[in-house]
Amino acid sequence: NAGVTQTPKFQVLKTGQSMTLQCAQDMNHNSMYWYRQDPGMGLRLIYYSASEGTTDKGEVPNGYNVSRLNKREFSLRLESAAPSQTSVYFCASRADSRTTGTSGSSNTGELFFGEGSRLTVL
Amino acid sequence: DAKTTQPPSMDCAEGRAANLPCNHSTISGNEYVYWYRQIHSQGPQYIIHGLKNNETNEMASLIITEDRKSSTLILPHATLRDTAVYYCIVRAINAGNNRKLIWGLGTSLGVNP
Repeated sequence: NAGVTQTPKFQVLKTGQSMTLQCAQDMNHNSMYWYRQDPGMGLRLIYYSASEGTTDKGEVPNGYNVSRLNKREFSLRLESAAPSQTSVYFCASRADSRTTGTSGSSNTGELFFGEGSRLTVL
Repeated sequence: DAKTTQPPSMDCAEGRAANLPCNHSTISGNEYVYWYRQIHSQGPQYIIHGLKNNETNEMASLIITEDRKSSTLILPHATLRDTAVYYCIVRAINAGNNRKLIWGLGTSLGVNP
């Protein structure tokens, strides 16, 4: 059971180069997300996809594009990399919400994360 | 989604219980409390969540105060592998896009031998 798989794990780019980060999940989740994590800051949402064929901007979308190729895959593209995009990037998927039990607590809704892609832009 | 406040760091002796507090005084009635942890260089990992009752699973226990303005994550017998950053987050269960999810910096837990 692979969960969420990201590639590549490490990448060094020169300013102005382009690249695509790949993400795939095998849990049949509808929602997928791209976050970036920088020192001294929490995770920030770049883009998300609520379902196959739909994407929408998050908190910090500038300089990025995304593509939800199918239900499994959600890619993040940097068209012209800048040093400010040096970061660790995490892809995540979310279990569809459902409610179980009498306590009111739900058994799903949690995010599943990949292992991260460390990108350095020189 | 409401914002949470956590201490930046805590220490715990191996084998003892680790109690990690979180304040979420502006939580709404439909918002759940979620806990995640991030071990160095790895992606965040879901631990537990709850609405108003205390919850327990194989990883931890979650204690939510009656007014729901704060909660405590309890690791009953901390091990060195529990050294990580712990994030407390509140979100509505059907918030959909997590767009407004605020992660904050979490609590860095150090478990000492």
